[in-house]
Amino acid sequence: EDQVTQSPEALRLQEGESSSLNCSYTVSGLRGLFWYRQDPGKGPEFLFTLYSAGEEKEKERLKATLTKKESFLHITAPKPEDSATYLCAGYNYQLIWGAGTKLIIKP
Amino acid sequence: DGGITQSPKYLFRKEGQNVTLSCEQNLNHDAMYWYRQDPGQGLRLIYYSQIVNDFQKGDIAEGYSVSREKKESFPLTVTSAQKNPTAFYLCASSTIGRGHSSYEQYFGPGTRLTVT
Repeated sequence: EDQVTQSPEALRLQEGESSSLNCSYTVSGLRGLFWYRQDPGKGPEFLFTLYSAGEEKEKERLKATLTKKESFLHITAPKPEDSATYLCAGYNYQLIWGAGTKLIIKP
Repeated sequence: DGGITQSPKYLFRKEGQNVTLSCEQNLNHDAMYWYRQDPGQGLRLIYYSQIVNDFQKGDIAEGYSVSREKKESFPLTVTSAQKNPTAFYLCASSTIGRGHSSYEQYFGPGTRLTVT
């Protein structure tokens, strides 16, 4: 069964403290791995698509990487405004979603 | 400004009543989707449509119905047959992938439905 698992469920960091969020997947014939950001009470906002192992993409303080089994979202020197839930999803003609990691950045 | 609108933002209904959630997009996307989001769970697909007048069931279609009479619009009806309708409902749209391509889905702001 295709599955996407995100860890940790929640992560609290001090402002400026870099860390990584994990997205492990078992999706047969994966055609893409998506990352989204979701603020409370709002719809997810698209961040990145990764297509093949070894690929990396960056946006401001975020960098997403992909291996054959997992993806990481690295956050460098985060600020309080980076606080949100980060969702990943594997694509194989449909999106298979993880439950998300809630990231809290304390000033 | 291109985007997806959902209305209303909050909706309250009594048990046994049907309710329709609105979703409109002006992105000229062919595909539209409805998801349900519950705390601690991933998004679950209810229905999707890739073309006007055609739609397919997702993983949790029971108790829901949709229509796609216009490319821009994809309303979702939550019927009284849905056993646990209280949730956050998200509408999304995308271009349609060709072959190995996959395209990101863009989401609306969501509708929070509470049924008592």
